[in-house]
Amino acid sequence: DTAVSQTPKYLVTQMGNDKSIKCEQNLGHDTMYWYKQDSKKFLKIMFSYNNKELIINETVPNRFSPKSPDKAHLNLHINSLELGDSAVYFCASNDRGRRDTIYFGEGSWLTVV
Amino acid sequence: GQQVMQIPQYQHVQEGEDFTTYCNSSTTLSNIQWYKQRPGGHPVFLIQLVKSGEVKKQKRLTFQFGEAKKNSSLHITATQTTDVGTYFCAGPMTTDSWGKLQFGAGTQVVVTP
Repeated sequence: DTAVSQTPKYLVTQMGNDKSIKCEQNLGHDTMYWYKQDSKKFLKIMFSYNNKELIINETVPNRFSPKSPDKAHLNLHINSLELGDSAVYFCASNDRGRRDTIYFGEGSWLTVV
Repeated sequence: GQQVMQIPQYQHVQEGEDFTTYCNSSTTLSNIQWYKQRPGGHPVFLIQLVKSGEVKKQKRLTFQFGEAKKNSSLHITATQTTDVGTYFCAGPMTTDSWGKLQFGAGTQVVVTP
């Protein structure tokens, strides 16, 4: 039983395409996140949703649009992909009310060619 | 803005040796968390330190939070090949954002038998 699951795990696509990454958590957490890890392993937060409401939106290009249909799901849609978008995208979740630690998904390896 | 720095960036260790990795924040932290990421894997929570001067142990791993709550260290004794991976420290970006973590750049640990 995977706690935070992401699909797809690997994605290779051409520049200019639009792609989505899906995330689901079965931990009953109220907050979900998208983190980006670049080639130098630097982890940076992109977005956070609490009970379907956007609460964190870091400086991210408008081409990135998160959507949370319910508190167990947080998807990431990326328009007009660029080479620089190649990275590992981690979905994560926690229970913000309990100030719990973050549980990461296994990551989605995105390669833009 | 807040910065979290880790040194060293790389650590080559002979199996059986001890080593320490350090984490320094430009601002006082409400808590600090440590995560481990195995090669090809995702960050996994190790521990959270909250109190000034706190020391916690997990088998061969000893974590310490500085008195000023601006620095932390992870000491591993008798390194094993299973310790291979990147160790990240992370602190909340604001006092009420326990999920919006500022990650250090990580210490990548390589263990030679």
